[in-house]
Amino acid sequence: NAGVTQTPKFQVLKTGQSMTLQCAQDMNHNSMYWYRQDPGMGLRLIYYSASEGTTDKGEVPNGYNVSRLNKREFSLRLESAAPSQTSVYFCASSEKGNRDTGELFFGEGSRLTVL
Amino acid sequence: GNSVTQMEGPVTLSEEAFLTINCTYTATGYPSLFWYVQYPGEGLQLLLKATKADDKGSNKGFEATYRKETTSFHLEKGSVQVSDSAVYFCALSRANDYKLSFGAGTTVTVRA
Repeated sequence: NAGVTQTPKFQVLKTGQSMTLQCAQDMNHNSMYWYRQDPGMGLRLIYYSASEGTTDKGEVPNGYNVSRLNKREFSLRLESAAPSQTSVYFCASSEKGNRDTGELFFGEGSRLTVL
Repeated sequence: GNSVTQMEGPVTLSEEAFLTINCTYTATGYPSLFWYVQYPGEGLQLLLKATKADDKGSNKGFEATYRKETTSFHLEKGSVQVSDSAVYFCALSRANDYKLSFGAGTTVTVRA
């Protein structure tokens, strides 16, 4: 079972370059998320998509854009990368509106370095 | 707003020692509470959860009890193993809000 798949796993960019992180899930989940993980700060939500066709900002959306391409795929784009965006990025998915689970399923992460 | 505060690490223990990681929260209403674990080089995975006051979540020898009166959800394990070395995250979600708010994470290292 693939679960949540992210690509690429590692990427090095120069300041000002652009790139897109891809994410796909095969669990038929409605909701998808992008988080970034930084030392001492835990996980912070960048953007999320409650369902196909909708996207919303999270805690730290500046400098990012997202696209919910279809129910399976949710991409994160950095239009002009900055060193402050050096981080580990996690995609996750979940069933929508189920308070009793609230369980997120995470990908393995993408380590991005911006020089 | 919602927030989760975890004890700061890192925590280093010997095998078979008792582990406690403190977690307190601030939220309106009655949130659901979670502990996630991240093993080296992997994504996060759900360890246990509790959805209402006084519920006890348990898994893999870990336990946590939802204490509304103290707004806490402390994680405990009676006898840790080297394989428990990981980063542990406390998290909450509110009713009708499927987004999770995470704590900063606590790194636990267990030595043989």
